[in-house]
Amino acid sequence: EDQVTQSPEALRLQEGESSSLNCSYTVSGLRGLFWYRQDPGKGPEFLFTLYSAGEEKEKERLKATLTKKESFLHITAPKPEDSATYLCAVQAAAGNTGKLIFGQGTTLQVKP
Amino acid sequence: DTEVTQTPKHLVMGMTNKKSLKCEQHMGHRAMYWYKQKAKKPPELMFVYSYEKLSINESVPSRFSPECPNSSLLNLHLHALQPEDSALYLCASSHDGQGANIQYFGAGTRLSVL
Repeated sequence: EDQVTQSPEALRLQEGESSSLNCSYTVSGLRGLFWYRQDPGKGPEFLFTLYSAGEEKEKERLKATLTKKESFLHITAPKPEDSATYLCAVQAAAGNTGKLIFGQGTTLQVKP
Repeated sequence: DTEVTQTPKHLVMGMTNKKSLKCEQHMGHRAMYWYKQKAKKPPELMFVYSYEKLSINESVPSRFSPECPNSSLLNLHLHALQPEDSALYLCASSHDGQGANIQYFGAGTRLSVL
């Protein structure tokens, strides 16, 4: 069964304190792995797509990496405005339906 | 522009009411999605339309009825809902319903069923 597990469930950081969020996945053929950011009461905002092991993408203070079993979202010198829930999702190659399988999310709080 | 517009932003309805949620995108995408999201949970897929045809129904109760009038519009018709159906309803679109296409989400409709 295709599955996505994110850890930790919640993370509290001081402003400037770098850390990483983990997304472990089990999927029958990975078509793509997606990172989204979601603010309370809003829809998920697309951040990154990763397709193959070894791939890395960066955007401002965020960097996403991918291995054959997991992805990391590294946050460097976070600011309070980075506080949000970060969702990881995978798309399986089987079925070719475009269906996303989401993890439970990591809620990040950055204190000034 | 990667905007998906959902209306209304908030909706309160009784269990005997009939209402509709609307979603619109002008990115030329040919796949559109409805998701349901409960508090502190990830989005759950409900329906997928690909090229205006229903391609996935995730065993959603018949009190939810989707409609795709054209490639830019997606509706979700609601009838005889239950209080447990209260949630954030999200619409998304992607290039098509195949491959690793990025799904872009709207801001959602916050639905409360009394």
